[in-house]
This record gives sequence, structure tokens and C-alpha cells, in this order.
Amino acid sequence: QKEVEQNSGPLSVPEGAIASLNCTYSDRGSQSFFWYRQYSGKSPELIMFIYSNGDKEDGRFTAQLNKASQYVSLLIRDSQPSDSATYLCAVLSNDYKLSFGAGTTVTVRA
Amino acid sequence: DGGITQSPKYLFRKEGQNVTLSCEQNLNHDAMYWYRQDPGQGLRLIYYSQIVNDFQKGDIAEGYSVSREKKESFPLTVTSAQKNPTAFYLCASSTGQGSGETQYFGPGTRLLVL
Repeated sequence: QKEVEQNSGPLSVPEGAIASLNCTYSDRGSQSFFWYRQYSGKSPELIMFIYSNGDKEDGRFTAQLNKASQYVSLLIRDSQPSDSATYLCAVLSNDYKLSFGAGTTVTVRA
Repeated sequence: DGGITQSPKYLFRKEGQNVTLSCEQNLNHDAMYWYRQDPGQGLRLIYYSQIVNDFQKGDIAEGYSVSREKKESFPLTVTSAQKNPTAFYLCASSTGQGSGETQYFGPGTRLLVL
């Protein structure tokens, strides 16, 4: 089974700070990478996806991908209390199956 | 209003009982998926279907069954063979166009054993 590992957390950051989430994956042939946000008791919602090495920015979120290191990260700038949630890293392999990490729980302190 | 619906929101199962979870989408997506989420864990793939009348086992298919008779619908049956069914069940769909496709999730069904 393909492995997706995330820093276990929980991660506590003050309001306005940067939250940094990390994810590594085992399948070197993986092509697409996703970050989902999941509030307690709710289903995951897509934040960002990234396919190419480098950075991709969308508002306060930046995804970074390094395929050589098999590493993908998510930065949340100017963290808000509404960002408090569990963030799931997901990796799409060549057989089009999505593998998920266990998630990192982020708490933004007001 | 397009989206994915799952019902019921909560479902209670008695010992030895089969139960069926509903998943419907009106996004015209070809591919549909069922995942299971246990507390503190990521999502695990149960079954998936890339096209009507075809489906494949995921990583934890034992004790589950599915059907895909219509494009819009992908019901999951939790059979009595599944000995630890208590979990949050999530249905997802995607366009099924291969690499890069994004999966979108329904609201989930929480299954509890009486």
C-alpha cells in the first residue's frame, strides 16, 4: 500500500502567524497532490492541488512540491481562527487511486 | 444545485444486519468512490467505480459490497461479515479523466453498531 505520512501535530499557532504542514509519500510515480481541510464531524473539502515542482499560491495558502524529495507542504499565511481544522494530504498514484495521510490538526489561538 | 448527497446522516446497525448507505451525485461525474475514516486516521478506499456497471475493490473491501447501475448512484452495503463497521463513511466523485482529477466529497454517513 502506498504510504503518505504527515507531521502528527497537533499544531498550535497564534492568530496571524504562518502554519506549516508537511507531507511525504512513498510512491515515486505519483503525479498529483491535494490538500483537503476537514472540520470536526464534517467531510473533507479541497483547498489546493499541485502537479508541478515548485510553489503554487491561492490566497493565503501556498502548496510546495518537490518530487525528487517526495515531499509536499502547505503554508497557511495570516492564520485565522477559522483555519482551525484537520488538514489531509492526498496523493494520486498512477493507478488513479488517492492515498491519504492521517492528517494534521491545526489550532489557531486568538 | 449540484453536488453529492449521502443518506442517512447517522445509521445504526444491529449484530448480523446488512445496511445500505446511499450516495447520489448530479455532477455528471463518471467516477465514484467509497472511503472509510476511523478516528485519528486518514481515509481508506473501500470500493471505486470508473464507469457504470463496473467497479473495483479498494484496499479494505472485505465485508462490503457495491453496485453501479446508474451513473448518479453508488450505494454501499455493509454486510454482517464486516466485524468492525463503526466509522465515518465518505462518498466521493470525480470526472474520471485520469491524472490530476479532483475528488469531491459528500457530507458523510456515520455508522454506529448497537
